[in-house]
Amino acid sequence: AQKVTQAQTEISVVEKEDVTLDCVYETRDTTYYLFWYKQPPSGELVFLIRRNSFDEQNEISGRYSWNFQKSTSSFNFTITASQVVDSAVYFCALSMRGNEKLTFGTGTRLTIIP
Amino acid sequence: SQTIHQWPATLVQPVGSPLSLECTVEGTSNPNLYWYRQAAGRGLQLLFYSVGIGQISSEVPQNLSASRPQDRQFILSSKKLLLSDSGFYLCAWTSGRRLYNEQFFGPGTRLTVL
Repeated sequence: AQKVTQAQTEISVVEKEDVTLDCVYETRDTTYYLFWYKQPPSGELVFLIRRNSFDEQNEISGRYSWNFQKSTSSFNFTITASQVVDSAVYFCALSMRGNEKLTFGTGTRLTIIP
Repeated sequence: SQTIHQWPATLVQPVGSPLSLECTVEGTSNPNLYWYRQAAGRGLQLLFYSVGIGQISSEVPQNLSASRPQDRQFILSSKKLLLSDSGFYLCAWTSGRRLYNEQFFGPGTRLTVL
């Protein structure tokens, strides 16, 4: 069975600080996919990134970066120079090859204090 | 480009009343479709998913049901609502031809059962 753990329930940081959201996953499959979603106050989940298990290269997109480490089964998300618009609930998710379903973590509520 | 619609956006219903929530996807064919529920301050719970017309898989036994009368239409129903059915209902889709499962979400329906 697969599992995603987001141990940080809530995080608050002051604007312009960097913040890292942790995600730890469990799976027995060798081929799997990891995702991050953002849920702003409006409620709609916004897809941020997908990472394949065979590609451990870290990725940077503007102020966002993702650190994938298979050795520790982690897929952490860092926001640099945080802004108030980054305030949201962030979900990490996992799926296996050929499986129609996503397994979500319980989410981390991030609050950026102006 | 693909878009996903949900309606209504908000709904207030008395206990024991019926429910019908609708989700439609545009710009794609043969999508996999999903219904999730998010209770206040909680994570996402997968309720149903469908890989084709008339094909419904239920994840959680409850008083809800789902139907897929057309390729890009997914309906969530109940004959008698319970207080515990209150929550935020999200519909999602993904391409049925992909091996991984990068889901895209609709704007959601906020249901309050009184």
